[in-house]
Amino acid sequence: DGGITQSPKYLFRKEGQNVTLSCEQNLNHDAMYWYRQDPGQGLRLIYYSQIVNDFQKGDIAEGYSVSREKKESFPLTVTSAQKNPTAFYLCASSEAPRGEQYFGPGTRLTVT
Amino acid sequence: GENVEQHPSTLSVQEGDSAVIKCTYSDSASNYFPWYKQELGKGPQLIIDIRSNVGEKKDQRIAVTLNKTAKHFSLHITETQPEDSAVYFCAAGSNYQLIWGAGTKLIIKP
Repeated sequence: DGGITQSPKYLFRKEGQNVTLSCEQNLNHDAMYWYRQDPGQGLRLIYYSQIVNDFQKGDIAEGYSVSREKKESFPLTVTSAQKNPTAFYLCASSEAPRGEQYFGPGTRLTVT
Repeated sequence: GENVEQHPSTLSVQEGDSAVIKCTYSDSASNYFPWYKQELGKGPQLIIDIRSNVGEKKDQRIAVTLNKTAKHFSLHITETQPEDSAVYFCAAGSNYQLIWGAGTKLIIKP
């Protein structure tokens, strides 16, 4: 089956720790995205990558970092510099710009 | 910055009735307008999209209309069913970046 996987589904961390969220796709898509979703709000773009070894900041990149070493993988690191990291994180991929974005099931991160 | 306003935030309709959700965008360069449905605890799924060279698009019970002059676009769901209950998001953008509305929780009353 083709799709996007995110792991883990739930993640708990102590304040001050970095944490890495996994995102893998087997759709052979060039573009990948990371979004943050807070209750009652729309999705906000953290980072996106158009192609391997290239990525750009979205609207809320501060306190986050990404890498794109392989076409199928786009991990997101939430650093201790992110002031309010508790949120639902969604990864997506698309074949082309302005094309359908396919979303993973999300990771709910809780930092205490 | 650019934004997308979505109304209403909650919509409750009787099963079988129609539902309409409206969005307004600010960036006149936007040329792609998708609608996504998100069920609880899951990622959003595309249900329909429209591009700026088209005014209306229909897919069975779902339709989207676009008014580029007024920078409005709307989602219409006819003959609503219990499985339509979810949160619906509109988005607007071009190339890789989409700006998302805050979402509408659609409740279908039996």
